[in-house]
Amino acid sequence: QKEVEQDPGPLSVPEGAIVSLNCTYSNSAFQYFMWYRQYSRKGPELLMYTYSSGNKEDGRFTAQVDKSSKYISLFIRDSQPSDSATYLCALVRGTYKYIFGTGTRLKVLA
Amino acid sequence: NAGVTQTPKFQVLKTGQSMTLQCAQDMNHNSMYWYRQDPGMGLRLIYYSASEGTTDKGEVPNGYNVSRLNKREFSLRLESAAPSQTSVYFCASSASEGYTFGSGTRLTVV
Repeated sequence: QKEVEQDPGPLSVPEGAIVSLNCTYSNSAFQYFMWYRQYSRKGPELLMYTYSSGNKEDGRFTAQVDKSSKYISLFIRDSQPSDSATYLCALVRGTYKYIFGTGTRLKVLA
Repeated sequence: NAGVTQTPKFQVLKTGQSMTLQCAQDMNHNSMYWYRQDPGMGLRLIYYSASEGTTDKGEVPNGYNVSRLNKREFSLRLESAAPSQTSVYFCASSASEGYTFGSGTRLTVV
């Protein structure tokens, strides 16, 4: 069983929709939770970083962590075609132990 | 505002050839990393360097060597390339919260 599971998609939504992206994990030792966005043929870029259960909001993006269910989500409001990318979750335990999800490919249709 | 710079961007090698992937960061970060990204496998850590003068193996180190030349530069060497090393390679650096990735090197071994 993988430590982190993420649906690969693709997920296609119309412009303006609310998008929900999710990861589940099995190890309760993870302390930090991140979301990265990766455009085609580019490196991942950090979107959101959180270390506690609950919600963290940044503009149109909300990261949600539920440690009791071992479930993390990224919500995108008012989605735009420019949001079309692959979204990677990353979970961290210790200083250098990052585990990345395989990524969900999102397409926002104009 | 360069961030993390990787060279080359593309490379085709024949089986058995050697090459070095270069990475430099200008953010004064202590930690640097080499990852490979393969379809369905996500990002997997090859080697990392917590600080200048130290290097450690990650999840998939076989067939690779690294050198932390100074605080800015961290190189990855393939001594005898194999088709299984065909991948996209990302260098990253970090200070505290999250990584900054380079734009990647697409390597094909034939």
